[in-house]
Amino acid sequence: NAGVTQTPKFQVLKTGQSMTLQCAQDMNHEYMSWYRQDPGMGLRLIHYSVGAGITDQGEVPNGYNVSRSTTEDFPLRLLSAAPSQTSVYFCASSYFPSGNNEQFFGPGTRLTVL
Amino acid sequence: RKEVEQDPGPFNVPEGATVAFNCTYSNSASQSFFWYRQDCRKEPKLLMSVYSSGNEDGRFTAQLNRASQYISLLIRDSKLSDSATYLCVVNAGGGADGLTFGKGTHLIIQP
Repeated sequence: NAGVTQTPKFQVLKTGQSMTLQCAQDMNHEYMSWYRQDPGMGLRLIHYSVGAGITDQGEVPNGYNVSRSTTEDFPLRLLSAAPSQTSVYFCASSYFPSGNNEQFFGPGTRLTVL
Repeated sequence: RKEVEQDPGPFNVPEGATVAFNCTYSNSASQSFFWYRQDCRKEPKLLMSVYSSGNEDGRFTAQLNRASQYISLLIRDSKLSDSATYLCVVNAGGGADGLTFGKGTHLIIQP
C-alpha cells in the first residue's frame, strides 16, 4: 500500500494564480481531510469529506475548494493564490468514526505564494 | 474556541534520561486523545492513543487526567531517535472535524 500520496511536494505560485493540490489514498478510507500547518500554529482543518460526493468546510476554508468524486481522491484547489496561503498542506485519511481513529497523513505539499 | 495547549520547548534532554511533558485541553466534553510524532519536515504520525486507564507502549507511557483536563507523555531511556515534535491531539466528539491539534512540543535528545 502506498498509503496517502500528495503531489506536488513543492510549489511556488505568484499571487492570483490558481492550482490544484492532489491527494490520493489506497486504504479505502471513507474520511479524508486537508490541513494547513504554519509556524507556531497547530494543524488547522481546511475542508473534509466523509465519503464520495460529500464535502464540508473546516476551520479555515476561505480561498479553497474541494471535491470528492471517488473514494480514493480528494484534490484541494486554490482559486486565486495569496501570500497568506504560503504554508505546508497535509492531506489525511481515516476510517470511521474518524474522530476516534488514527489519521494517516500524506507527506505534505510546501507551497510558497509570492 | 476549543484549545489545546502545549509547552513548545525545546526540551533538551541527555540520551538515556526520562522526559515528560503535558498538554492541557479546554473542552471538558473531549472524548478521544492522542499523541502524534512529527519529524522535521515530515508528516505527523500516530505515536499512541491515550485511554482513560492510561497506556504504555515500550518506553512510552501516556496518561489522561479528566478532572484536571490534561494528558501527559512520558519517555523513558530516551534515544537520539526520539528527537522530534510531539503533537497533542484532542477530539471533542463527532468526526475528525472535531480534532484539535496542539502546536507541539519540540524534543531534542543530546548525545
